[in-house]
Amino acid sequence: SQTIHQWPATLVQPVGSPLSLECTVEGTSNPNLYWYRQAAGRGLQLLFYSVGIGQISSEVPQNLSASRPQDRQFILSSKKLLLSDSGFYLCAWSVAGGVSYEQYFGPGTRLTVT
Amino acid sequence: ILNVEQSPQSLHVQEGDSTNFTCSFPSSNFYALHWYRWETAKSPEALFVMTLNGDEKKKGRISATLNTKEGYSYLYIKGSQPEDSATYLCASSGSARQLTFGSGTQLTVLP
Repeated sequence: SQTIHQWPATLVQPVGSPLSLECTVEGTSNPNLYWYRQAAGRGLQLLFYSVGIGQISSEVPQNLSASRPQDRQFILSSKKLLLSDSGFYLCAWSVAGGVSYEQYFGPGTRLTVT
Repeated sequence: ILNVEQSPQSLHVQEGDSTNFTCSFPSSNFYALHWYRWETAKSPEALFVMTLNGDEKKKGRISATLNTKEGYSYLYIKGSQPEDSATYLCASSGSARQLTFGSGTQLTVLP
């Protein structure tokens, strides 16, 4: 069966510090991968998605970046965090070319920028 | 409708009551409508995926309908239980792979 892992579960970082959140998927090959953020009081916002190694599409201009160094690894980074980067970050995967695009979510990371 | 909109934003019901929520989405370039259930401290869990106009899906006491021509979906919960308390998210997908989520309906079922 497929599983998705995210870490860390919670993170408190000062403004201006770097960020690295990691997501890995097991039990599937060549998945589509996604990073979402939920800011306080708002819905899930798609940040990045990837259909393959090294292929990243950005949905929202921001100071965040994403990378996919391996087939089942997706990393969200920032060189300098802003207060507005606080939120709940979710990684998700879906079957490549799946007809329904159903997505499966990881446990999430709660990021607080102070 | 340019975005996915959900109503109400929050809802309190008594145990045993039946309830329903609405999701409105752009009817143009539509491919699929997804419903997720998101409990506190857990990951969103997929409930239904619907693609065809008139689709109805059911899982236990929860069911959903889809109208792609007018761009709305209803989620129904029959005989609500405290364990149904969660945020219910809907998301629409077009020909691209991305899901556009609504802000969710936060349901609280009071014992």
